[in-house]
Amino acid sequence: DVKVTQSSRYLVKRTGEKVFLECVQDMDHENMFWYRQDPGLGLRLIYFSYDVKMKEKGDIPEGYSVSREKKERFSLILESASTNQTSMYLCASSVRDTDTDTQYFGPGTRLTVL
Amino acid sequence: GESVGLHLPTLSVQEGDNSIINCAYSNSASDYFIWYKQESGKGPQFIIDIRSNMDKRQGQRVTVLLNKTVKHLSLQIAATQPGDSAVYFCAENILGFQKLVFGTGTRLLVSP
Repeated sequence: DVKVTQSSRYLVKRTGEKVFLECVQDMDHENMFWYRQDPGLGLRLIYFSYDVKMKEKGDIPEGYSVSREKKERFSLILESASTNQTSMYLCASSVRDTDTDTQYFGPGTRLTVL
Repeated sequence: GESVGLHLPTLSVQEGDNSIINCAYSNSASDYFIWYKQESGKGPQFIIDIRSNMDKRQGQRVTVLLNKTVKHLSLQIAATQPGDSAVYFCAENILGFQKLVFGTGTRLLVSP
């Protein structure tokens, strides 16, 4: 079974803090993704990565950055957290395969910024 | 509990009924579709997928139907159980493009 893990289930931070969200997958997947999920808005793509040290902006990259130093790990960074970044953050991974683009998700991190 | 489903359309069924959840997709070029299930407090879980060269695909208690003419996707759950209560999302993609576009979801409530 594919396993995607996220470092925290719940996180509370203060405005202006630097926040790191970590994601690890154990299936040797090339692609990794970070989403945020908000009521009524569904999943919105923040950043994704096709390979180590590669990153691409998604639909809402402002206020975020990412790091992929190892294939299995994809980190989301909030340089200076703001209250409008309070959300559920979901990490996903997929294999680079033209026959399937199924993404497998982690359990999510619920971040609250006070 | 999770607040992700606060503004979602809701389908309420009785245990043992069949459920049908619908999804309209946007891109006529999309050729790969997935249904996900998200339980409260958890990440989305893959249920079933279908490619555009198919009209129907069956899994265990689930069937996905694809109507490309009207860009419509549906998920049928047979003999719905309380454990099926969750938010269900469809996702579409152009194969090989690596990115999915997600619908906003439907909440399924199953009463015993």
